[in-house]
Amino acid sequence: GENVEQHPSTLSVQEGDSAVIKCTYSDSASNYFPWYKQELGKRPQLIIDIRSNVGEKKDQRIAVTLNKTAKHFSLHITETQPEDSAVYFCAALRGSTLGRLYFGRGTQLTVWP
Amino acid sequence: EAGVTQSPTHLIKTRGQQVTLRCSPISGHTSVYWYQQALGLGLQFLLWYDEGEERNRGNFPPRFSGRQFPNYSSELNVNALELEDSALYLCASSSGLKAFFGQGTRLTVV
Repeated sequence: GENVEQHPSTLSVQEGDSAVIKCTYSDSASNYFPWYKQELGKRPQLIIDIRSNVGEKKDQRIAVTLNKTAKHFSLHITETQPEDSAVYFCAALRGSTLGRLYFGRGTQLTVWP
Repeated sequence: EAGVTQSPTHLIKTRGQQVTLRCSPISGHTSVYWYQQALGLGLQFLLWYDEGEERNRGNFPPRFSGRQFPNYSSELNVNALELEDSALYLCASSSGLKAFFGQGTRLTVV
């Protein structure tokens, strides 16, 4: 099956700085890569996703890049704010229906004011 | 529109006991997914139900089981509870490729 590795496990940045979280996957047939944000005590929520036919996707301060050759994808958060503090999970999926998502172990992002 | 709802929110069980967790998907969603979130281990896939059938199962022992009802709600059953079953159990339903999670059930086994 798929194996998703996520780094770093913890990340601390100053407010206004950028944050980058990286994930690698093992199954070259994986074709959908979502990112979830889980604030303390809350449910995971989808914040951005990318499909394998796209190299980059942006949504305001958040962007995701995908390198299919190297089998890695990254989450970029610019102009970080304290409310960006949360655990971020990357995931990979193979197929055209949701099925089984393979998650990374998560990155605890802390943004200091 | 109501989101994915789970019950109970918290419970404490003794080792060896059995537990049933419940999930109601978003209206119109036919698939339900169960994940275990243990400390430091991310989200581990447990089970996927669609149209009342089990479609896929994660790498968990048979004492983890479940079912989906005709109204698409679902139950997760865990028998012979072990201490390491202590975790947050998350249920999700999907629209296309987007998964929507419930708030989870925090299970503590003592």
